[in-house]
Amino acid sequence: KQEVTQIPAALSVPEGENLVLNCSFTDSAIYNLQWFRQDPGKGLTSLLLIQSSQREQTSGRLNASLDKSSGRSTLYIAASQPGDSATYLCAVKGGGSNYKLTFGKGTLLTVNP
Amino acid sequence: AAGVIQSPRHLIKEKRETATLKCYPIPRHDTVYWYQQGPGQDPQFLISFYEKMQSDKGSIPDRFSAQQFSDYHSELNMSSLELGDSALYFCASSWQGEQFFGPGTRLTVL
Repeated sequence: KQEVTQIPAALSVPEGENLVLNCSFTDSAIYNLQWFRQDPGKGLTSLLLIQSSQREQTSGRLNASLDKSSGRSTLYIAASQPGDSATYLCAVKGGGSNYKLTFGKGTLLTVNP
Repeated sequence: AAGVIQSPRHLIKEKRETATLKCYPIPRHDTVYWYQQGPGQDPQFLISFYEKMQSDKGSIPDRFSAQQFSDYHSELNMSSLELGDSALYFCASSWQGEQFFGPGTRLTVL
């Protein structure tokens, strides 16, 4: 059974800092990995999708990396802003779970002005 | 760009009542997924459909059922509601491996 772990559970940083969120998964036989953002009580916004054959994806100030063999992904956020404050969820597709997504419990990010 | 549409956005029911949640996927997306997110929890997979056939099943209670119709919209039917069913219910549709989530239906069971 695929299990996804995110560290840290919560992170508070001053505005302008660069930061890294970590995600690990137990079964490396994945199809892809997605990073999502969720604001309180709201829906999930897809930030980046990394296919199993890829090493990283970039979108604006966000960069996600994937090391499939070690079961790890990181989400790098450059020059953080207060508007980045949200919960960031990592989810993997596959790895014994067919095509559903298995989510981590998320990292609650607070960027202080 | 078109997004996944869910209705209703909010629903309040009494215990033992029945609820029906609807999902309209992004046009041309071939797979629909349902997830349940309890308070402070991560989303948990319930069920999925590919081309109107059930493709995978997760931790969905027997009191719940779902189907996908000929126009590709999907409905999640929930009977004998319990307090613990209070949650955000998300529908997602996928294209080429990426899942796109709707805004969710917040179900409150009193």
